[in-house]
Amino acid sequence: KNQVEQSPQSLIILEGKNCTLQCNYTVSPFSNLRWYKQDTGRGPVSLTIMTFSENTKSNGRYTATLDADTKQSSLHITASQLSDSASYICVVSDYKLSFGAGTTVTVRA
Amino acid sequence: EPEVTQTPSHQVTQMGQEVILRCVPISNHLYFYWYRQILGQKVEFLVSFYNNEISEKSEIFDDQFSVERPDGSNFTLKIRSTKLEDSAMYFCASSATGGATAGELFFGEGSRLTVL
Repeated sequence: KNQVEQSPQSLIILEGKNCTLQCNYTVSPFSNLRWYKQDTGRGPVSLTIMTFSENTKSNGRYTATLDADTKQSSLHITASQLSDSASYICVVSDYKLSFGAGTTVTVRA
Repeated sequence: EPEVTQTPSHQVTQMGQEVILRCVPISNHLYFYWYRQILGQKVEFLVSFYNNEISEKSEIFDDQFSVERPDGSNFTLKIRSTKLEDSAMYFCASSATGGATAGELFFGEGSRLTVL
């Protein structure tokens, strides 16, 4: 069964600090991996989409990495801001999308 | 910037009633989806729709559920005989391309359904 596991489940960081979120998956065959940001009570918003051949992709202060050999991805948030407080969801695609449970990030002043 | 719009934002209904959730996908998109997120849980796929028919559905999407594209702009999810466990946030999404190489998926803000 295709699975997407994210860690940690939640984390708290101080404004201005960096953090890294992890995603491990067993989805096969692999098509692409996506990271979404979901504010509380809102719909997910796409941050990055990475295919098999891409191992790094940035979107502003968000940088995603992908190791398709080990089936791992990370999302790095640089110089966090209060507005980064949200759930970050890893989604992996074979012929359909498999969602992780998300990591809840809380940024404190 | 184009966006997916959903109505209502929140609906409260009595168990056993029928509800219709409405979505207006991005105008030039061809692939439409419904997802569900029970409070505190992960997003779950319900159904995908392309060329006026269901292209894929999950085990959650049983005979209680149906989708329709009644005109050129709206995409609806009907839930018949609602149950307490149907209480969730329902997200509509659309994309320009579909399948394994589906491009960026745009989600609406969701419709919160509360079944009493």
